[in-house]
Amino acid sequence: ILNVEQSPQSLHVQEGDSTNFTCSFPSSNFYALHWYRWETAKSPEALFVMTLNGDEKKKGRISATLNTKEGYSYLYIKGSQPEDSATYLCASKGNKLVFGAGTILRVKS
Amino acid sequence: DGGITQSPKYLFRKEGQNVTLSCEQNLNHDAMYWYRQDPGQGLRLIYYSQIVNDFQKGDIAEGYSVSREKKESFPLTVTSAQKNPTAFYLCASSISSGGKETQYFGPGTRLLVL
Repeated sequence: ILNVEQSPQSLHVQEGDSTNFTCSFPSSNFYALHWYRWETAKSPEALFVMTLNGDEKKKGRISATLNTKEGYSYLYIKGSQPEDSATYLCASKGNKLVFGAGTILRVKS
Repeated sequence: DGGITQSPKYLFRKEGQNVTLSCEQNLNHDAMYWYRQDPGQGLRLIYYSQIVNDFQKGDIAEGYSVSREKKESFPLTVTSAQKNPTAFYLCASSISSGGKETQYFGPGTRLLVL
């Protein structure tokens, strides 16, 4: 993988559903993986920074895992709420910081 | 409240015109960044500055210029040489530029060409 890729591009779920999405990044020269949440009409806000293989981070109903050997990170949202609707960006720091295009999450009430 | 401000929210550029986007931070951060977002793409780095009076080109610097005369301010000029300037521009700052540091973003400026 040469770029940072996020999947799916967009996701629509019902309130209460749990969901997850993926960030794939180059595993060579890896230094850090960032997750940001970007709500419409607001600034992107940091969720997590992870550096070690096997890292797991949690903030409320949102958690993330990191696999640096195979070059992926998962973001999980348990019991999605309408206020979770946002674009979720990941960025990988190797030789430089590279952002993915984001996953757009829409939670319907 | 500490944070990053960008102005204006919307900016219109005529053909052949240079325009300047403002970015100010009161977080006392050394590093500042300018990104461009186009539909369906990740944020792409235009320029960054690790310290006052110093800045480096990012991945897509052609047609842009910056200055960093004060720690708090990192204005971006979109010159007439930038042939496709229509995009959403985000400014960010961080304590340093090592790579683990969280970046704090402004609300963005949308640039449109008339």
